[in-house]
This record gives sequence, structure tokens and C-alpha cells, in this order.
Amino acid sequence: GAGVSQSPSNKVTEKGKDVELRCDPISGHTALYWYRQSLGQGLEFLIYFQGNSAPDKSGLPSDRFSAERTGGSVSTLTIQRTQQEDSAVYLCASSLGGVSYGYTFGSGTRLTVV
Amino acid sequence: AQSVTQLDSHVSVSEGTPVLLRCNYSSSYSPSLFWYVQHPNKGLQLLLKYTSAATLVKGINGFEAEFKKSETSFHLTKPSAHMSDAAEYFCVVIYSGGYQKVTFGTGTKLQVIP
Repeated sequence: GAGVSQSPSNKVTEKGKDVELRCDPISGHTALYWYRQSLGQGLEFLIYFQGNSAPDKSGLPSDRFSAERTGGSVSTLTIQRTQQEDSAVYLCASSLGGVSYGYTFGSGTRLTVV
Repeated sequence: AQSVTQLDSHVSVSEGTPVLLRCNYSSSYSPSLFWYVQHPNKGLQLLLKYTSAATLVKGINGFEAEFKKSETSFHLTKPSAHMSDAAEYFCVVIYSGGYQKVTFGTGTKLQVIP
């Protein structure tokens, strides 16, 4: 597609439920990042995929968070047993993989845990 | 290790006056540096990037930034602020080693006063 697509754009869920957030990167982009932006906070790195390499999961805040990327394209971020502190905007970004290209961000998924 | 420091969380300028958003970085290696802008309820948009070519980088919407290695700075400037510049600005450093590590600053909210 023309840009990075994230779905849903908004998600309200009850505490304790599981949620899945989806990211469709730009076709051909080998690098994919997940970030989250909490109210009043900066951007927090969650996980990074690069081609077929093992992902860098060092930013995942707890074992309730997981992500996968199927076929080197679409990525899904899963949050199990959601907590209120998980409420944030979750951003996905993709890149051709070289630093000179920069990263293109999706519009994000606004997650609200009630 | 690398880090990014945006020295001001909020900057307020009058319309038509210059804009200066400060960013300092630390990196063990020569980094690539970026500025992103996020308008309210919008995704992140790339403003400009430095990737070891010219040290003065021109971006979109009249913004520019100068890479100063001796000062480890990459400040964002614009000669004359416009109301549409009101947004949050993120300085980003990317180190391309075995993995690409992307580090975001905490952001600077720019307010433009009519």
C-alpha cells in the first residue's frame, strides 16, 4: 500500500481481556517497529523485526506482550490480560531497512483499557 | 549506548518569529539523526534526516537542522513560525550496527501564538 496501515484505529477493551493490534507495512519494507506513546510520555520502543532475523524484543514491558510478523510482512502485537496502564497509542513503523530512508509511521491504534 | 535529549518539553513562539527546538545526542558511533513531527490526532511524519552527507539539512515546511559533531547537537530551526507548525516534534537517533537501534527523544510541544 501507499503507507503503513494500522487497525483498528481505536480499541476500547475491558481490563483482563486480550487484544490484537495489526500493522500492514509498506510493501517491500524489511524493517518493522512497534512503539507505544502513553499520555504525557515520549515514544517507547517495544519490538523490532528485520527481515528473517530474530526480532529484538528488548522493549516489551512484560510477558503479557508479544508480537509476530508473518511472511516478513504483516505484524500483530498481542496484549494478554490487559491492564489500565496498557492504555496508550500503539504505533507501527516500517523502513526499507537502511538508515538513510528513515521510517514511515502508521497513524496508530488508540487502546483504552477500562 | 545511545541516547537523545530534547532539552525543552514545551516551546512557545509568536507567529512569524524564529523557531528553535533543541536536541542533543550521545552515540558511540556516528549516528543517523532525524526529526519527526506529530500533529494532533495524526501519525508521525518525517521532517528531515541527517545521514553523514551535508551537515545542514533542509526539510519540509521550511524547517532545517544542523548536525554539529563537536557539540553533539542536531537542533531544529525555522526562520518564521506559522500557526500550522503547532505540533509535537521528536528528535530520533538511529545507530546502524548489527541491529538498527532507534532511540526517540521525549518530544517538544511547539505552541504558536497568533
